[in-house]
Amino acid sequence: QKEVEQNSGPLSVPEGAIASLNCTYSDRVSQSFFWYRQYSGKSPELIMSIYSNGDKEDGRFTAQLNKASQYVSLLIRDSQPSDSATYLCAVNPGGNKLVFGAGTILRVKS
Amino acid sequence: KAGVTQTPRYLIKTRGQQVTLSCSPISGHRSVSWYQQTPGQGLQFLFEYFSETQRNKGNFPGRFSGRQFSNSRSEMNVSTLELGDSALYLCASSVTTDRAHSPLHFGNGTRLTVT
Repeated sequence: QKEVEQNSGPLSVPEGAIASLNCTYSDRVSQSFFWYRQYSGKSPELIMSIYSNGDKEDGRFTAQLNKASQYVSLLIRDSQPSDSATYLCAVNPGGNKLVFGAGTILRVKS
Repeated sequence: KAGVTQTPRYLIKTRGQQVTLSCSPISGHRSVSWYQQTPGQGLQFLFEYFSETQRNKGNFPGRFSGRQFSNSRSEMNVSTLELGDSALYLCASSVTTDRAHSPLHFGNGTRLTVT
């Protein structure tokens, strides 16, 4: 079992819809969770971090965390073609370690 | 504030050669981490340096090494290059090594091609 798992996609959504990206992790002691966006040929860019159970909103982005289910998700409201990218989930299982998922490709069609 | 700067952006080497990649972190960031990214394996952690000391190391062979200088700039070296070393090498800086509260900020990467 991989430490951090994501559906590779591609996830295709129409412009204006809500895109839902999911991530599960194996280490129950994990406390910090991050979402990175990576455009093709570019480097990963941090877009959200979440530490507590529940929802955290930032503009069109909402991160959701459920530690009991070992599940973290990213919702993108009013999806735009410019949101088309690979979204990487990263988990800190403790200390100075950060484990990345393989990423989900999102395609927003206009 | 300038971001993380990696040089060179592209490199083409042949098997058996060695290569050195450079990374300048964001001003004030003292931690530098290196990652290898390939289509099949995703982002794989290589190592992390803080205050000129290696603090954490991933599961890569000894051909991969690194160092950090007193100004926090870092270099990584790959010796005896293999075809499988072809990848995007990403450097990321952060204020501290505490991954829980000190997020990584990535540079644009060095694309290494081994022929």
